[in-house]
Amino acid sequence: QVQLQESGPGLVQPSQTLSLTCTVSGGSISSRNYYWSWIRQHPGKGLGWIGSIYYSGSTYYNPSLKSRVNISQDTSKSQFSLKLSSVTAADTAVYYCARGSLLEDYAFDIWGQGTKVTVSS
Amino acid sequence: EIVLTQSPGTLSLSPGERATLSCRASQSVSSSYLAWYQHKPGQAPRLLIYGASSRATGIPDRFSGSGSGTDFTLIISRLEPEDFAVYYCQQYGSSLWTFGQGTKVEIK
Repeated sequence: QVQLQESGPGLVQPSQTLSLTCTVSGGSISSRNYYWSWIRQHPGKGLGWIGSIYYSGSTYYNPSLKSRVNISQDTSKSQFSLKLSSVTAADTAVYYCARGSLLEDYAFDIWGQGTKVTVSS
Repeated sequence: EIVLTQSPGTLSLSPGERATLSCRASQSVSSSYLAWYQHKPGQAPRLLIYGASSRATGIPDRFSGSGSGTDFTLIISRLEPEDFAVYYCQQYGSSLWTFGQGTKVEIK
């Protein structure tokens, strides 16, 4: 039973870098069947894809965030991480990590519970 | 970038009724890489449908998806109390994922 769990600070200062980690348990992040992804939901709004990393290390980012986003992975720890630089209040959101599955036509079949991040001084 | 537009924004129905949700894409969606999710407050989104019409593991058969190209539909044949939630469509293409803005299914 694969599970994902987000961790990281719940409060980030404006202009700083938001850093979150997703720990994958019950499975490997080295499988070529999956894209390990970050998705966020602004307060009262819908879901927005941030970016994904493939087992090979290739990364894919939302064009609107590309200049500020970096996603990396640590296969030895079964973790992947999100860094979002120069944050503003507009980056306040619930951040989810999720598994994009080639076996389910690139759908996100497993999600973490989400972690709320507030950008404020 | 493909934009997904969902309609209606809100659907007010009673338990036992049929819900029909629409998702329209600004361009054709590759190989029907279209999925639907259910999202309740405080919970993780739940995958319902992938590949436009395949039910995910453990999803009841009252949920069905259809469509191709630019027009897709999610039908909930008979609403159960636990089905009242927000529903999102999502597409994949050219190494990018996008979501629709969501349809809220609320109790009438």
